[in-house]
Amino acid sequence: AQSVTQPDIHITVSEGASLELRCNYSYGATPYLFWYVQSPGQGLQLLLKYFSGDTLVQGIKGFEAEFKRSQSSFNLRKPSVHWSDAAEYFCAVGTSGTYKYIFGTGTRLKVLA
Amino acid sequence: EPEVTQTPSHQVTQMGQEVILRCVPISNHLYFYWYRQILGQKVEFLVSFYNNEISEKSEIFDDQFSVERPDGSNFTLKIRSTKLEDSAMYFCASSELQQATQYFGPGTRLLVL
Repeated sequence: AQSVTQPDIHITVSEGASLELRCNYSYGATPYLFWYVQSPGQGLQLLLKYFSGDTLVQGIKGFEAEFKRSQSSFNLRKPSVHWSDAAEYFCAVGTSGTYKYIFGTGTRLKVLA
Repeated sequence: EPEVTQTPSHQVTQMGQEVILRCVPISNHLYFYWYRQILGQKVEFLVSFYNNEISEKSEIFDDQFSVERPDGSNFTLKIRSTKLEDSAMYFCASSELQQATQYFGPGTRLLVL
């Protein structure tokens, strides 16, 4: 069955530290990959996406992600976290032949001053 | 930048009542979606809609749910007889093409008492 796993439910980092949020997927077909961010009480904002081509993709707010087919992963990274990055981050996967995205359970990021 | 909008932002209803959640997708988008997020759980796909018909639906989307595009701008989700377990955040999304990025609205938080 198709699935998306975000192994870390909560992550706490200090402001200015680097960040990596993990996402693994299980899909039979070539996936389309996304990271969304949800601030408290807010909707889902697209951070970045991968459809094809360069496996390292840049997004908004200084985030980047790397698609590694051999590891079925699409980890999100940021070199220096800001206090405003505190939010919940969702990895999502789509594929050809279906309209739906499948979301991971999310990782809640806390940033210490 | 164009955005998906949703109304109302919050709705409280009694069990058994009908509710209609409204969405205005991005104007040049052709594909429309509803997702829900029960508190503390992952975002789940409900239904996709294209060319005035449902293109895909999940097992959650049973006969109590219906979708409609009543005019050229609105997209609605109706729950005919709400249950306590329908309490959730409901997100509308739209995309330009089937395999294009889905952009999400801010959500409607529904509470069924």
